[in-house]
Amino acid sequence: KAGVTQTPRYLIKTRGQQVTLSCSPISGHRSVSWYQQTPGQGLQFLFEYFSETQRNKGNFPGRFSGRQFSNSRSEMNVSTLELGDSALYLCASSLVQGRDTEAFFGQGTRLTVV
Amino acid sequence: AQSVTQLGSHVSVSEGALVLLRCNYSSSVPPYLFWYVQYPNQGLQLLLKYTSAATLVKGINGFEAEFKKSETSFHLTKPSAHMSDAAEYFCAVSGDKIIFGKGTRLHILP
Repeated sequence: KAGVTQTPRYLIKTRGQQVTLSCSPISGHRSVSWYQQTPGQGLQFLFEYFSETQRNKGNFPGRFSGRQFSNSRSEMNVSTLELGDSALYLCASSLVQGRDTEAFFGQGTRLTVV
Repeated sequence: AQSVTQLGSHVSVSEGALVLLRCNYSSSVPPYLFWYVQYPNQGLQLLLKYTSAATLVKGINGFEAEFKKSETSFHLTKPSAHMSDAAEYFCAVSGDKIIFGKGTRLHILP
């Protein structure tokens, strides 16, 4: 069974540009969550999608957005990139929503903003 | 509100020695707790989870954790460290979203 796939693995962008990251969950998983990981802030929750609907959102500015498609694949978009957006962006998928549901993580997309 | 605190951002142990990584949680409802491991340039992998069944939870790679409600703790242990255990470990609590601790980087000394 294939795991969570994130593309691309590495990305370099210039300040002011926008970027789209992609996440393909494990087959059959309907919940996808996104996290930003930085050395200073650790893992911070961005948002969660379930059945194409955003179910939860973290404390990030509106420049960060996402969506989920009918096949459960998800994308996140960051507009007007800032240097501080440089981070590892992790996607996690779960079979269903639920507090005891295990989240499976992808390898992440390393975004560098210059 | 829920939160987790991991004590020690870096822990060093000798190969073959006991590994103890500390995690304290705060939760207004009975918590669901997790330990994840992250190897360099990788995503997170679940080591074990506590979901209100047995208080001693066994996970992969010889790790286990004990839930202690009176101490609001969920410390991770392994009797004998191996070089391959060198990684970053995250404690997490699950509510409407998963809240992660800051992480503890485990160094194994030869």
